[in-house]
Amino acid sequence: GNSVTQMEGPVTLSEEAFLTINCTYTATGYPSLFWYVQYPGEGLQLLLKATKADDKGSNKGFEATYRKETTSFHLEKGSVQVSDSAVYFCALSDQFGSSNTGKLIFGQGTTLQVKP
Amino acid sequence: DSGVTQTPKHLITATGQRVTLRCSPRSGDLSVYWYQQSLDQGLQFLIQYYNGEERAKGNILERFSAQQFPDLHSELNLSSLELGDSALYFCASSATDSVALNTEAFFGQGTRLTVV
Repeated sequence: GNSVTQMEGPVTLSEEAFLTINCTYTATGYPSLFWYVQYPGEGLQLLLKATKADDKGSNKGFEATYRKETTSFHLEKGSVQVSDSAVYFCALSDQFGSSNTGKLIFGQGTTLQVKP
Repeated sequence: DSGVTQTPKHLITATGQRVTLRCSPRSGDLSVYWYQQSLDQGLQFLIQYYNGEERAKGNILERFSAQQFPDLHSELNLSSLELGDSALYFCASSATDSVALNTEAFFGQGTRLTVV
C-alpha cells in the first residue's frame, strides 16, 4: 500500500540555519502531497501542498517540490527561526482508483528544535 | 483556530471502560475524519464520514465505532478500553470527500485519552 517515510529526528538547528527535512513516498498513481506542522499542544496545520509532479508548494518561507522521478517531497527553508520549532509531518492523499480520497497517510513526523 | 472543535481535551479512564469523543466540524464541511496519534504507531487514519455516511475505513478496531449525525457533528466511541488505547485522537474536517486541489483538511486540537 501507499506509505510515507520521513527522516528521523530530532533535528536541532541554530537560528538562521538552512533546513531540510527529507520525505519520500511510495504510491501507485498520482497522489497529492502535503506538509503539516504541529506546534506544541495544538492540532495539525497544513503548511503547504503540491498536487502534481514538479509542482512547488510554498508558505511562510518553507518550500517543497513534488519530484515524481525520485518519489520525494523534501521540505526546505532558507533561514529558520525559533518560532519554527515544531513537529513536521509529510503526508499523501490515499487514492481509490485514479481519484484522491480524503484519507491522509502520514510519515512518522520529524521534530525540529531551533536554538537562539 | 481551525474551526474544528473537539471535546473533551483530556480524558482519563480505567481499563475496560467506554468513552465517547465528540467532534464539531468547520461550518459547511461535510466530511469528518478521525485519526489516532500514538508514540509507537504515529498518526493513523481510523475512519471517514461524509454527509452522514461512512466513506472510508482504516485500521479501526472492532471495539471502536463512530457516527456522524444530521447536524454533521461526529462521535467516536471507544469501548473495552485497554492501556494501549492511550493516545491523542484527532478529528479533521473538509468541505468535500477528498483532499486534493482546492480542498483542505482542517484538524482539531485533539482529545488526549489516558487509560489507566
